[in-house]
Amino acid sequence: KAGVTQTPRYLIKTRGQQVTLSCSPISGHRSVSWYQQTPGQGLQFLFEYFSETQRNKGNFPGRFSGRQFSNSRSEMNVSTLELGDSALYLCASSLGPRDTQYFGPGTRLTVL
Amino acid sequence: GENVEQHPSTLSVQEGDSAVIKCTYSDSASNYFPWYKQELGKRPQLIIDIRSNVGEKKDQRIAVTLNKTAKHFSLHITETQPEDSAVYFCAAFNQAGTALIFGKGTTLSVSS
Repeated sequence: KAGVTQTPRYLIKTRGQQVTLSCSPISGHRSVSWYQQTPGQGLQFLFEYFSETQRNKGNFPGRFSGRQFSNSRSEMNVSTLELGDSALYLCASSLGPRDTQYFGPGTRLTVL
Repeated sequence: GENVEQHPSTLSVQEGDSAVIKCTYSDSASNYFPWYKQELGKRPQLIIDIRSNVGEKKDQRIAVTLNKTAKHFSLHITETQPEDSAVYFCAAFNQAGTALIFGKGTTLSVSS
């Protein structure tokens, strides 16, 4: 089976812009979670989606949003980018809630 | 909410020695505890996980132990090799099972 894929792999944006990141889960997986990874804060939970429903959101401002489509693919959006949003954004998929999560390669976002 | 503490933050061992990384969690309802290994520039990879109905799980040189009463779990790596050098993350689900909360990571260096 193909693993979790994320596009794009790298992004450079300027402050104030918005960005959309995409995640394609492993075939058959219906749950997708998103994480922000930074050197200082480690892996921080952003959102979790299952069957197109956001079941939980981490402690991030409303500028961070996401959605899941009927084919389980997920997107996350960050509006009005700030310098502090520079990070590696990882998504992980699992068969369902509480199941083992498998990570994608991440999208490296740099905000200038 | 769930909080996961991980210690130590860095660990240096000689090849062939054992390495132990410890994590404590706050939510007594947590019942799934995975460990991920992340090499530089790569995605986190699941190396072992344990559910709360068992106290120990082993896979070749890697073992995880769980003490639900004390709310802590540990990763044990025996006969360490240079390729074990990486950042290791522990994690636990929150009570609702809608968010995987990670420890801050342990940078393991194995010198030959």
